[in-house]
Amino acid sequence: KAGVTQTPRYLIKTRGQQVTLSCSPISGHRSVSWYQQTPGQGLQFLFEYFSETQRNKGNFPGRFSGRQFSNSRSEMNVSTLELGDSALYLCASSAPGGRTYNEQFFGPGTRLTVL
Amino acid sequence: DQQVKQNSPSLSVQEGRISILNCDYTNSMFDYFLWYKKYPAEGPTFLISISSIKDKNEDGRFTVFLNKSAKHLSLHIVPSQPGDSAVYFCAASRSRDDKIIFGKGTRLHILP
Repeated sequence: KAGVTQTPRYLIKTRGQQVTLSCSPISGHRSVSWYQQTPGQGLQFLFEYFSETQRNKGNFPGRFSGRQFSNSRSEMNVSTLELGDSALYLCASSAPGGRTYNEQFFGPGTRLTVL
Repeated sequence: DQQVKQNSPSLSVQEGRISILNCDYTNSMFDYFLWYKKYPAEGPTFLISISSIKDKNEDGRFTVFLNKSAKHLSLHIVPSQPGDSAVYFCAASRSRDDKIIFGKGTRLHILP
């Protein structure tokens, strides 16, 4: 079974631009969560989508948004990029019928650098 | 407000000895606790979990202990192996459908 894939793997943007990251979950998984990892803050929860609906949300500004498609693929968008948005963005998918914790599988992440 | 705290940024342990990684939490509503392991350039992988109704869970070389009164959990790795060198994240959640809150991680170095 193919794992969670994230595209692109690396991205360089400048301040003020916007960016869209993509995540394809494991086939059959309906829950997709997004996290931001930075050296100082560790892994911070952004949001979770389940069956195309946002089920949980972290404490990030409205510049961070996401969506999920009918095939469970998910995108997250960051508008008006700031230097502090430079981070590794991780996506994780979970089994159908809700989340059992030991079935949350992470992708390799997208490394975003904002100049 | 850091609800899940891993106060040791790094830890070095001799190969073959026991590695003990610690984690403290502040939210008494947390019901489920997890440990993830992360290698460079890879996403985290699930290691072991424990429900708040238990105080110990064991899986091979990995054991997690939960002390609810102290709001503390620890991960024991015995014996430590070179492949255990990685960043370990402690995480917690209030329920099956709630978000998972991660700590900042502890980098474990296994020394030859």
